[in-house]
Amino acid sequence: QKEVEQNSGPLSVPEGAIASLNCTYSDRGSQSFFWYRQYSGKSPELIMFIYSNGDKEDGRFTAQLNKASQYVSLLIRDSQPSDSATYLCAVRIGGGADGLTFGKGTHLIIQP
Amino acid sequence: GAGVSQSPSNKVTEKGKDVELRCDPISGHTALYWYRQSLGQGLEFLIYFQGNSAPDKSGLPSDRFSAERTGGSVSTLTIQRTQQEDSAVYLCASSDGSGGNTIYFGEGSWLTVV
Repeated sequence: QKEVEQNSGPLSVPEGAIASLNCTYSDRGSQSFFWYRQYSGKSPELIMFIYSNGDKEDGRFTAQLNKASQYVSLLIRDSQPSDSATYLCAVRIGGGADGLTFGKGTHLIIQP
Repeated sequence: GAGVSQSPSNKVTEKGKDVELRCDPISGHTALYWYRQSLGQGLEFLIYFQGNSAPDKSGLPSDRFSAERTGGSVSTLTIQRTQQEDSAVYLCASSDGSGGNTIYFGEGSWLTVV
């Protein structure tokens, strides 16, 4: 059974602070990990993906992966009100084009 | 096209009727996925097509659900004898099918069964 777990929130963070979103997964065979952002009433849009242990930075976003502990996190620096959305963690088993298994998402609120 | 295109964007149907949802993937993408998202819930995998291979139907919730992909491009998801619990947004996504590829979503088809 593939499971991806996220705290549903809401997670409230003041503007300008660092938002930290966490995700754990059950299948040790998972090879690639994705973070999607979903605004209310909209479809998910890809923010970042990570395959290797460690950190991967892209602008204000940093993805962190720890395969031994089976968790992946997303840090958002200098949080903006426009970052308020639901953040979905997704995991792919294997290295091909298999479908992603999604968590239920964390609702992030950035307080002005 | 530039992105994944889905139609209709909204559909209201009566319980017991059949519905068809259409997806036109990004040009050149060989992999196509259908997901379902109920209100306040995460994404539920339904079915996956890769090239000419047999589709992965492991996520279809019942035999009322079926999907086909003609010519390796456009896909149709069919729900027969709709039930109220089928109300959700149905999201189609595509990818280029290579290892490490990313999945891009359409805007979804919002289905309401009354």
